[in-house]
Amino acid sequence: DSGVTQTPKHLITATGQRVTLRCSPRSGDLSVYWYQQSLDQGLQFLIQYYNGEERAKGNILERFSAQQFPDLHSELNLSSLELGDSALYFCASSAQDRAKNIQYFGAGTRLSVL
Amino acid sequence: EDKVVQSPLSLVVHEGDTVTLNCSYEVTNFRSLLWYKQEKKAPTFLFMLTSSGIEKKSGRLSSILDKKELFSILNITATQTGDSAVYLCAVDRGSQGNLIFGKGTKLSVKP
Repeated sequence: DSGVTQTPKHLITATGQRVTLRCSPRSGDLSVYWYQQSLDQGLQFLIQYYNGEERAKGNILERFSAQQFPDLHSELNLSSLELGDSALYFCASSAQDRAKNIQYFGAGTRLSVL
Repeated sequence: EDKVVQSPLSLVVHEGDTVTLNCSYEVTNFRSLLWYKQEKKAPTFLFMLTSSGIEKKSGRLSSILDKKELFSILNITATQTGDSAVYLCAVDRGSQGNLIFGKGTKLSVKP
Protein backbone atom coordinates (compact mmCIF):
# COMPACT_ATOMS: atom_id res chain seq x y z
CA ASP A 1 0.00 0.00 0.00
CA SER A 2 1.59 3.26 -1.19
CA GLY A 3 -0.44 5.47 1.13
CA VAL A 4 -1.99 7.34 -1.82
CA THR A 5 -5.76 6.90 -1.99
CA GLN A 6 -7.81 7.34 -5.13
CA THR A 7 -11.57 7.19 -5.50
CA PRO A 8 -13.54 5.85 -7.20
CA LYS A 9 -11.79 2.73 -8.48
CA HIS A 10 -14.05 2.45 -11.48
CA LEU A 11 -16.22 4.94 -13.28
CA ILE A 12 -18.53 4.27 -16.19
CA THR A 13 -20.18 7.20 -17.87
CA ALA A 14 -21.47 8.44 -21.19
CA THR A 15 -20.01 10.80 -23.76
CA GLY A 16 -20.59 14.45 -22.97
CA GLN A 17 -20.73 13.90 -19.22
CA ARG A 18 -18.50 15.32 -16.49
CA VAL A 19 -16.74 13.35 -13.76
CA THR A 20 -14.53 14.12 -10.78
CA LEU A 21 -11.67 11.93 -9.64
CA ARG A 22 -10.32 12.31 -6.14
CA CYS A 23 -6.87 11.76 -4.66
CA SER A 24 -5.51 11.88 -1.12
CA PRO A 25 -1.71 12.01 -1.01
CA ARG A 26 0.57 10.25 1.45
CA SER A 27 0.73 11.89 4.82
CA GLY A 28 3.18 14.78 4.67
CA ASP A 29 3.53 14.90 0.87
CA LEU A 30 2.89 18.34 -0.57
CA SER A 31 3.08 17.48 -4.27
CA VAL A 32 0.35 15.75 -6.21
CA TYR A 33 0.67 14.63 -9.83
CA TRP A 34 -1.99 13.36 -12.21
CA TYR A 35 -1.17 10.92 -15.00
CA GLN A 36 -3.23 9.28 -17.71
CA GLN A 37 -2.41 5.76 -18.86
CA SER A 38 -3.91 4.37 -22.03
CA LEU A 39 -2.94 1.15 -23.81
CA ASP A 40 -0.98 2.74 -26.60
CA GLN A 41 0.40 5.85 -24.89
CA GLY A 42 1.86 4.67 -21.62
CA LEU A 43 1.87 7.00 -18.62
CA GLN A 44 1.33 10.60 -19.68
CA PHE A 45 1.77 13.47 -17.25
CA LEU A 46 -1.22 15.77 -16.97
CA ILE A 47 -0.65 18.26 -14.16
CA GLN A 48 1.18 18.83 -10.86
CA TYR A 49 0.15 20.75 -7.77
CA TYR A 50 2.40 21.70 -4.89
CA ASN A 51 0.89 22.86 -1.63
CA GLY A 52 -2.24 24.15 -3.35
CA GLU A 53 -0.55 25.85 -6.28
CA GLU A 54 -0.29 24.60 -9.84
CA ARG A 55 3.37 23.78 -10.46
CA ALA A 56 3.59 22.16 -13.89
CA LYS A 57 1.34 21.27 -16.78
CA GLY A 58 1.73 18.48 -19.26
CA ASN A 59 -0.50 17.41 -22.10
CA ILE A 60 -3.71 18.22 -20.29
CA LEU A 61 -6.74 18.98 -22.43
CA GLU A 62 -8.68 22.20 -21.89
CA ARG A 63 -11.70 20.05 -20.98
CA PHE A 64 -9.73 18.77 -17.97
CA SER A 65 -8.95 20.76 -14.86
CA ALA A 66 -7.61 20.05 -11.42
CA GLN A 67 -7.17 21.63 -8.04
CA GLN A 68 -5.51 20.92 -4.72
CA PHE A 69 -7.33 21.85 -1.55
CA PRO A 70 -5.96 23.19 1.76
CA ASP A 71 -6.01 19.67 3.23
CA LEU A 72 -3.81 18.69 0.25
CA HIS A 73 -6.24 16.31 -1.39
CA SER A 74 -6.68 16.88 -5.09
CA GLU A 75 -9.46 16.50 -7.62
CA LEU A 76 -9.24 16.03 -11.37
CA ASN A 77 -12.31 17.18 -13.28
CA LEU A 78 -12.97 15.78 -16.73
CA SER A 79 -15.77 17.35 -18.75
CA SER A 80 -17.42 16.91 -22.15
CA LEU A 81 -16.12 13.38 -22.08
CA GLU A 82 -15.22 11.60 -25.29
CA LEU A 83 -14.67 7.92 -26.03
CA GLY A 84 -10.95 8.57 -26.24
CA ASP A 85 -10.84 9.73 -22.64
CA SER A 86 -11.32 6.13 -21.51
CA ALA A 87 -8.14 5.29 -19.63
CA LEU A 88 -6.58 4.67 -16.23
CA TYR A 89 -6.01 7.87 -14.31
CA PHE A 90 -3.31 7.79 -11.66
CA CYS A 91 -2.51 10.17 -8.91
CA ALA A 92 0.95 10.20 -7.38
CA SER A 93 2.43 12.14 -4.51
CA SER A 94 5.90 13.05 -3.39
CA ALA A 95 7.64 15.08 -0.76
CA GLN A 96 9.32 17.05 -3.59
CA ASP A 97 12.62 16.95 -1.80
CA ARG A 98 15.31 18.79 -3.77
CA ALA A 99 17.57 15.77 -3.67
CA LYS A 100 15.07 13.23 -4.85
CA ASN A 101 11.58 13.04 -6.23
CA ILE A 102 10.24 9.56 -5.61
CA GLN A 103 6.62 9.52 -6.61
CA TYR A 104 4.24 7.06 -5.00
CA PHE A 105 1.19 6.06 -6.99
CA GLY A 106 -2.36 5.39 -6.03
CA ALA A 107 -4.28 2.39 -7.36
CA GLY A 108 -5.84 4.48 -10.09
CA THR A 109 -9.33 5.19 -11.37
CA ARG A 110 -10.43 3.28 -14.44
CA LEU A 111 -12.67 5.51 -16.52
CA SER A 112 -14.85 4.00 -19.21
CA VAL A 113 -16.71 6.40 -21.47
CA LEU A 114 -19.48 4.69 -23.43
CA GLU B 1 11.79 16.76 -27.09
CA ASP B 2 12.55 14.80 -23.93
CA LYS B 3 12.05 11.07 -24.28
CA VAL B 4 12.60 7.75 -22.54
CA VAL B 5 12.82 4.58 -24.61
CA GLN B 6 12.61 1.08 -23.18
CA SER B 7 13.49 -2.20 -24.82
CA PRO B 8 12.38 -4.80 -25.41
CA LEU B 9 8.68 -3.97 -25.29
CA SER B 10 7.89 -7.49 -24.19
CA LEU B 11 9.80 -10.53 -23.04
CA VAL B 12 8.83 -14.11 -22.24
CA VAL B 13 11.20 -16.22 -20.14
CA HIS B 14 11.08 -19.31 -17.95
CA GLU B 15 11.50 -19.43 -14.21
CA GLY B 16 15.14 -19.31 -13.22
CA ASP B 17 16.24 -17.29 -16.24
CA THR B 18 18.09 -13.99 -15.91
CA VAL B 19 16.71 -10.98 -17.75
CA THR B 20 18.06 -7.55 -18.62
CA LEU B 21 15.72 -4.67 -19.33
CA ASN B 22 17.00 -1.56 -21.06
CA CYS B 23 16.17 2.10 -20.73
CA SER B 24 17.73 4.94 -22.72
CA TYR B 25 16.89 8.60 -22.35
CA GLU B 26 17.33 12.02 -23.84
CA VAL B 27 16.22 14.71 -21.42
CA THR B 28 17.23 18.18 -20.35
CA ASN B 29 18.15 18.77 -16.73
CA PHE B 30 18.49 15.14 -15.72
CA ARG B 31 18.24 14.63 -11.96
CA SER B 32 17.55 10.93 -11.48
CA LEU B 33 16.24 7.79 -13.11
CA LEU B 34 13.60 5.64 -11.47
CA TRP B 35 12.37 2.10 -12.04
CA TYR B 36 8.83 1.03 -11.21
CA LYS B 37 7.05 -2.32 -11.33
CA GLN B 38 3.42 -2.31 -12.46
CA GLU B 39 1.44 -5.47 -11.88
CA LYS B 40 -2.30 -5.04 -11.98
CA LYS B 41 -2.73 -1.42 -11.15
CA ALA B 42 -0.42 1.03 -9.39
CA PRO B 43 3.24 1.34 -10.35
CA THR B 44 5.34 0.52 -7.32
CA PHE B 45 8.74 2.08 -6.77
CA LEU B 46 11.83 -0.12 -7.14
CA PHE B 47 14.97 2.00 -7.48
CA MET B 48 16.18 5.53 -7.90
CA LEU B 49 19.59 6.14 -9.46
CA THR B 50 21.38 9.46 -9.59
CA SER B 51 25.04 8.68 -10.13
CA SER B 52 26.76 6.69 -12.82
CA GLY B 53 28.28 3.36 -12.06
CA ILE B 54 26.62 2.82 -8.75
CA GLU B 55 24.62 -0.34 -8.75
CA LYS B 56 21.48 -0.55 -6.73
CA LYS B 57 20.48 -3.95 -5.43
CA SER B 58 17.42 -5.40 -3.80
CA GLY B 59 17.42 -9.15 -3.58
CA ARG B 60 17.37 -10.56 -7.10
CA LEU B 61 16.91 -7.15 -8.72
CA SER B 62 19.72 -4.78 -9.52
CA SER B 63 20.11 -1.68 -11.63
CA ILE B 64 22.90 0.49 -12.92
CA LEU B 65 23.02 3.91 -14.56
CA ASP B 66 25.41 5.19 -17.21
CA LYS B 67 25.06 8.98 -17.37
CA LYS B 68 27.64 9.31 -20.10
CA GLU B 69 25.86 6.96 -22.49
CA LEU B 70 22.41 7.95 -21.16
CA PHE B 71 21.02 4.55 -20.31
CA SER B 72 20.14 2.28 -17.46
CA ILE B 73 19.59 -1.46 -17.15
CA LEU B 74 17.48 -3.45 -14.75
CA ASN B 75 18.61 -7.01 -14.11
CA ILE B 76 16.48 -9.71 -12.58
CA THR B 77 18.21 -12.97 -11.71
CA ALA B 78 16.57 -16.34 -11.00
CA THR B 79 13.22 -15.04 -12.23
CA GLN B 80 10.00 -16.20 -10.59
CA THR B 81 6.42 -16.11 -11.84
CA GLY B 82 5.79 -13.29 -9.38
CA ASP B 83 8.19 -11.13 -11.36
CA SER B 84 5.69 -11.05 -14.22
CA ALA B 85 4.75 -7.39 -14.64
CA VAL B 86 5.36 -4.30 -16.69
CA TYR B 87 8.59 -2.58 -15.71
CA LEU B 88 8.59 1.16 -16.19
CA CYS B 89 11.59 3.43 -16.46
CA ALA B 90 11.15 7.13 -15.69
CA VAL B 91 13.39 10.17 -15.61
CA ASP B 92 13.09 13.07 -13.18
CA ARG B 93 13.97 16.36 -14.87
CA GLY B 94 14.49 18.26 -11.66
CA SER B 95 12.70 21.58 -11.42
CA GLN B 96 9.89 20.50 -13.73
CA GLY B 97 8.84 17.93 -11.18
CA ASN B 98 6.99 15.41 -13.26
CA LEU B 99 8.48 12.15 -14.42
CA ILE B 100 8.88 11.22 -18.08
CA PHE B 101 8.01 7.56 -18.49
CA GLY B 102 8.99 5.02 -21.09
CA LYS B 103 6.31 2.75 -22.46
CA GLY B 104 7.48 -0.14 -20.34
CA THR B 105 8.72 -3.68 -20.82
CA LYS B 106 6.14 -6.39 -20.27
CA LEU B 107 7.86 -9.37 -18.65
CA SER B 108 6.13 -12.74 -18.57
CA VAL B 109 7.76 -15.50 -16.55
CA LYS B 110 6.50 -18.99 -17.37
CA PRO B 111 6.69 -21.81 -14.79
